[in-house]
Amino acid sequence: DVQLTQSPSFLSASIGDRVTITCRASQDITTYLAWYQQKPGRAPKLLIYVAFNLPSGVPPRFSGSGSGKEFTLTISSLQPEDFATYYCQEPGGTFGPGTKVDIK
Amino acid sequence: QVTLRESGPALVKPTQTLTLTCTFSGFSLTTGGMCVSWIRQPPGKAPEWLARIDWDDDKYYNTSLKTRLTISKDTSKNQVVLTMTNMDPVDTATYYCARTPQWLGAKYYYHAMDAWGQGTTVTVSS
Repeated sequence: DVQLTQSPSFLSASIGDRVTITCRASQDITTYLAWYQQKPGRAPKLLIYVAFNLPSGVPPRFSGSGSGKEFTLTISSLQPEDFATYYCQEPGGTFGPGTKVDIK
Repeated sequence: QVTLRESGPALVKPTQTLTLTCTFSGFSLTTGGMCVSWIRQPPGKAPEWLARIDWDDDKYYNTSLKTRLTISKDTSKNQVVLTMTNMDPVDTATYYCARTPQWLGAKYYYHAMDAWGQGTTVTVSS
């Protein structure tokens, strides 16, 4: 089974900051990685699929990159509604442990 | 509009079997590339994928839980059912179903979960 790690596990940032979260896989998963945003009491929401594709309705300040074993999620200019927990996920189902983005 | 809704008991006793139903609309599990997954999330923890059923009736299970899980579909009712046997307090969690396409039209999703239900909370306690 593929294992995923995320770094950092927690980050404190300000409105307008550029934020980058990293997800590492235990084996090569080509570009088959998804990213989700979750707010308290809500289901996760798909942000990125196949490493860099945005579903319709996701703001363009979110972007994804990477291939193989290392991937990144970038928020170009953090907005108030972006304070949440972010998870990566590989197609076999495994989720990463999460990165909580909090207000500095 | 794609919607999914989970239903099932809020409380089960240890050793009992949990049966959850996902009722969906806006897509069909007879369409090539379409899949539905079950995921759970204990309080304060990351989501954990449990099982997936595909349009061709292929089924996939979390390796560590596969002896306890069964997933099935009723395409006439647009439902996916998950059973989990021998429930334990550590199984207390919010259980979600999600649409998990391999592909959708001309786009490949490789089982990203693009639509989720609101979740149902299951507590395991005597």
